[in-house]
Amino acid sequence: DVKVTQSSRYLVKRTGEKVFLECVQDMDHENMFWYRQDPGLGLRLIYFSYDVKMKEKGDIPEGYSVSREKKERFSLILESASTNQTSMYLCASSTSLGGPTDTQYFGPGTRLTVL
Amino acid sequence: LAKTTQPISMDSYEGQEVNITCSHNNIATNDYITWYQQFPSQGPRFIIQGYKTKVTNEVASLFIPADRKSSTLSLPRVSLSDTAVYYCLVGDQNSGYSTLTFGKGTMLLVSP
Repeated sequence: DVKVTQSSRYLVKRTGEKVFLECVQDMDHENMFWYRQDPGLGLRLIYFSYDVKMKEKGDIPEGYSVSREKKERFSLILESASTNQTSMYLCASSTSLGGPTDTQYFGPGTRLTVL
Repeated sequence: LAKTTQPISMDSYEGQEVNITCSHNNIATNDYITWYQQFPSQGPRFIIQGYKTKVTNEVASLFIPADRKSSTLSLPRVSLSDTAVYYCLVGDQNSGYSTLTFGKGTMLLVSP
């Protein structure tokens, strides 16, 4: 089974702190994604990566950056956390055999609270 | 970009068949239709995918009419554990990942 792990299930940070959310997948997938999920808004794509060191912006990239130095690891960075970034963050990975129709495998999520 | 519309929520009872319809009026020729399921405090997981007519697996069936402007996810004899949010996605390999959005989904509540 594909396994996607996220470094923390719960995280509490203060406004202005730099925050790193880590995601690791064990299936040698080319693609990795970061989403945030908020009540009433569903899942929204922040960034995705289709290869090492490659990234593309999703729907809501403002206030975030990403890093992918190794194929299995994709990091989401909040340079200066703000209270409006309090949310559930979900990481996913997929192959690139068929493009967007490829199944995405999700991690358990990190619930981030910014005080 | 094909946009999808689903009901915000649905209620059902154990043992009933549940049909969730997704509207995608401007679906493109190469678009596939994919459904995901998300339980509370978990990430979404793939349920089923189709292009036309009917697809069935051990979890659900997906009905797609000839014009492909809508699709219906059918869950036979639901149980309490089917309470979840169900997402309909439409996309193809040429549209780019940034256009594949989950949206708000349909919250299905199954009661005893």
